[in-house]
Amino acid sequence: ETGVTQSPTHLIKTRGQQVTLRCSSQSGHNTVSWYQQALGQGPQFIFQYYREEENGRGNFPPRFSGLQFPNYSSELNVNALELDDSALYLCASSLSASGRRFEQYFGPGTRLTVT
Amino acid sequence: GNSVTQMEGPVTLSEEAFLTINCTYTATGYPSLFWYVQYPGEGLQLLLKATKADDKGSNKGFEATYRKETTSFHLEKGSVQVSDSAVYFCALSGRNTGNQFYFGTGTSLTVIP
Repeated sequence: ETGVTQSPTHLIKTRGQQVTLRCSSQSGHNTVSWYQQALGQGPQFIFQYYREEENGRGNFPPRFSGLQFPNYSSELNVNALELDDSALYLCASSLSASGRRFEQYFGPGTRLTVT
Repeated sequence: GNSVTQMEGPVTLSEEAFLTINCTYTATGYPSLFWYVQYPGEGLQLLLKATKADDKGSNKGFEATYRKETTSFHLEKGSVQVSDSAVYFCALSGRNTGNQFYFGTGTSLTVIP
């Protein structure tokens, strides 16, 4: 059983550019959540995808968007990058069934630096 | 609303010392409570959890008890090791949070030999 994987590991972008981060869920998991962890802070919830639909969103602007694919892998897209977008982006997968969500497992994260 | 407050760090302890990291929460309903650990350069790993009041979560010598009356979930370990050096995050989640996780700001622990 493979765990949650994310790519790339590190990324450097320029302000105003666009970026796509990728996440492969743990086998058997149908729900993916994305978090932003700024330096020295706890993770902040961006959004969650369940069965390819957005299923909850935190306090992030629309330039943060996502996708979930039929194999439950996911992408996080950020447009018009700002310096404050520099952070560790974490993906977490879990199994949701009958209105319950079971334990979520985190990937190692993608470190995004915006210059 | 929902929020988690952790004691400020950093915390530095000698090996075999007793550890307490305080965590209190505010939530609607009855969430599940979690402690996650993050080692340098890595993602978050679940350390322990408790799903209802008076439950005690435990793992690798760490313990935390879900105290509804004090809205707390303090992390304890009787004898820390150098390998316990990491950042510890308290978190809550549940149906009333839309299953979203709310994390504290983290407490950095350094254990010196």
